[in-house]
Amino acid sequence: ETGVTQTPRHLVMGMTNKKSLKCEQHLGHNAMYWYKQSAKKPLELMFVYNFKEQTENNSVPSRFSPECPNSSHLFLHLHTLQPEDSALYLCASSQDGQINQPQHFGDGTRLSIL
Amino acid sequence: AQTVTQSQPEMSVQEAETVTLSCTYDTSENNYYLFWYKQPPSRQMILVIRQEAYKQQNATENRFSVNFQKAAKSFSLKISDSQLGDTAMYFCAFMKLRDDKIIFGKGTRLHILP
Repeated sequence: ETGVTQTPRHLVMGMTNKKSLKCEQHLGHNAMYWYKQSAKKPLELMFVYNFKEQTENNSVPSRFSPECPNSSHLFLHLHTLQPEDSALYLCASSQDGQINQPQHFGDGTRLSIL
Repeated sequence: AQTVTQSQPEMSVQEAETVTLSCTYDTSENNYYLFWYKQPPSRQMILVIRQEAYKQQNATENRFSVNFQKAAKSFSLKISDSQLGDTAMYFCAFMKLRDDKIIFGKGTRLHILP
C-alpha cells in the first residue's frame, strides 16, 4: 500500500518535447513533494506544496514547472529538458507541511531524455 | 511487492548518547541496495549510508553505522555520540539492483536533546 500513485512509470522524451508527470494521493494529506534522484546525486528535494500553495522551490530550473490544482494532485510539467534531467522523479505526501511529518512516497517516474 | 517498515515514528535521546533506528523490509530479491537518508529542517535529503546486500560487512560512515541482518531483513542505523545536528527525519529505503525503483519507509523523527 503506497497511497501515492505516480504516472507514468517510465517516460522517454526528446529535449524539445513537453510532457507532464502526475502524482495523486488519496490519504487526505495536505502537503505534497517532488524529489529527484539521479545517478550523480542522492535524493534532492525540488518543490513542496502545502494546502495547494508552493512553499519551497529549491533553485529548480524553470524548465520544470509544478502545478498543484488541489491537495490530492500534483503535476510536474516538463519542457525543453536537458540530458542531465534524466532521473527518477519521486512524489511524496504528508499530513501537512511540517518538516517532521511521516512522508508517503510514490513509486516514481523514470524519466529519460534523448 | 517490496515494503519498508520503520516501526519507530519518533525517538528522543540525550546528546552524546547512542541511538539505534530500526528498519525492516520485505523482498524476494537476493541482490539489492539499502539506504538511510536524513532530512533535516532544511528539508534537503542527505544520504547517510548505503549498503549493498551482497556485502556481509556492515557499512559505516564516521558516527553512523548499520546492523545489516540479511536473513532477518533488518537494516538498523546506529548513531554514536549523537549531536544536536543529528536532529532530523530519517528515512530507510530499498532499491533492487536491476530496477531503480526505490521504496521508502515513512520515516523516524529523531530528536537529540541538549
